[in-house]
Amino acid sequence: TQLLEQSPQFLSIQEGENLTVYCNSSSVFSSLQWYRQEPGEGPVLLVTVVTGGEVKKLKRLTFQFGDARKDSSLHITAAQTGDTGLYLCAGVYSGAGSYQLTFGKGTKLSVIP
Amino acid sequence: EAQVTQNPRYLITVTGKKLTVTCSQNMNHEYMSWYRQDPGLGLRQIYYSMNVEVTDKGDVPEGYKVSRKEKRNFPLILESPSPNQTSLYFCASSPLSPHSPVFTTYYGYTFGSGTRLTVV
Repeated sequence: TQLLEQSPQFLSIQEGENLTVYCNSSSVFSSLQWYRQEPGEGPVLLVTVVTGGEVKKLKRLTFQFGDARKDSSLHITAAQTGDTGLYLCAGVYSGAGSYQLTFGKGTKLSVIP
Repeated sequence: EAQVTQNPRYLITVTGKKLTVTCSQNMNHEYMSWYRQDPGLGLRQIYYSMNVEVTDKGDVPEGYKVSRKEKRNFPLILESPSPNQTSLYFCASSPLSPHSPVFTTYYGYTFGSGTRLTVV
């Protein structure tokens, strides 16, 4: 199983602030997905990035895939309390003749009113 | 509404008492999987199924069983639960397996709402 490191593990910010969370690996990924898990619920897919250097925007959320496809970042502009949750990245990599999906441990974000 | 339904949401049981957590999806997805989520350890895959009657072990299969007799259902069975199986469990489905190159571009998982299991 390939290792995906997410940082920071915990983040507490005031409403209206900007933030960036990171997902890093020593492996090259075919694609990378970001999920958000709200308290008491299952993870929900936010976005998939496939091409190195790719940037995708989802309202106030900006996702970037590193040029070498080994890392990704999620930037939130003007955070709102509704952004509170656990943000998980999941990388798909090619190995042993097939593709595998591995999850990072997540960044727990708390947005304080 | 397209969804993955898990039952029960919460369960407290005693060591050794067999239990089943049900999972059903209404999206005609081929691939289904069970994960457990523990603090500091993240999501770990228990078992997965590529299609009906096709199941395989994930990273942490010990102490668990699964079956896939119908495409929509993928129950998780704990024959003799132990306290170290206390966890938050998620069922997930996808149109295709993550082992397929097509998955990487077009699909992701749909997760259920989770089952919080406590074994005392």
